[in-house]
Amino acid sequence: AQSVSQHNHHVILSEAASLELGCNYSYGGTVNLFWYVQYPGQHLQLLLKYFSGDPLVKGIKGFEAEFIKSKFSFNLRKPSVQWSDTAEYFCAVRGGSQGNLIFGKGTKLSVKP
Amino acid sequence: DTEVTQTPKHLVMGMTNKKSLKCEQHMGHRAMYWYKQKAKKPPELMFVYSYEKLSINESVPSRFSPECPNSSLLNLHLHALQPEDSALYLCASSRGLGTEAFFGQGTRLTVV
Repeated sequence: AQSVSQHNHHVILSEAASLELGCNYSYGGTVNLFWYVQYPGQHLQLLLKYFSGDPLVKGIKGFEAEFIKSKFSFNLRKPSVQWSDTAEYFCAVRGGSQGNLIFGKGTKLSVKP
Repeated sequence: DTEVTQTPKHLVMGMTNKKSLKCEQHMGHRAMYWYKQKAKKPPELMFVYSYEKLSINESVPSRFSPECPNSSLLNLHLHALQPEDSALYLCASSRGLGTEAFFGQGTRLTVV
């Protein structure tokens, strides 16, 4: 069975600071990887996804993530955060094609103006 | 139309009530999901439907009963719930089992 670990529970940054949120997964086979964002009072939205190919994937709103297979990691990055990036960020993994999309515990990002 | 629509948005029910949550998508997606999300926790998978057939049941108690009447609709029937079942219930859909999921706004359920 697959699992996902997000090591940062709550990250507090000032505007314009760079962001990196860690995500590690455990699964022995092919995985699909996702980052979702949940803004306060809103539904989960897909930020970006990795299925195959270029391990550096770009998503919406200036976010990107890098898949490092040897480290079982899929860290989320943004060079310069904005106050509007304040939200909860979830890493998710689907092992193979079984359909069970499993979420990490989430990282709350607070950006101070 | 890229939305997953859930109704109702809020629901308060007693422990002896029977109610249903509804989810609808018109994106032609063939996989649909129910998740449960408690406050400050990640979504937890409950059920997966693929081509209107139940594909995964994550050991969910029988007081939760899913139904997929057609490829656009997914229901969750609730009966004899407990206060600890209070949570945000999220519906999602995807083109297939291996593709990204799109989530609805959720139904905020309170069991009293």
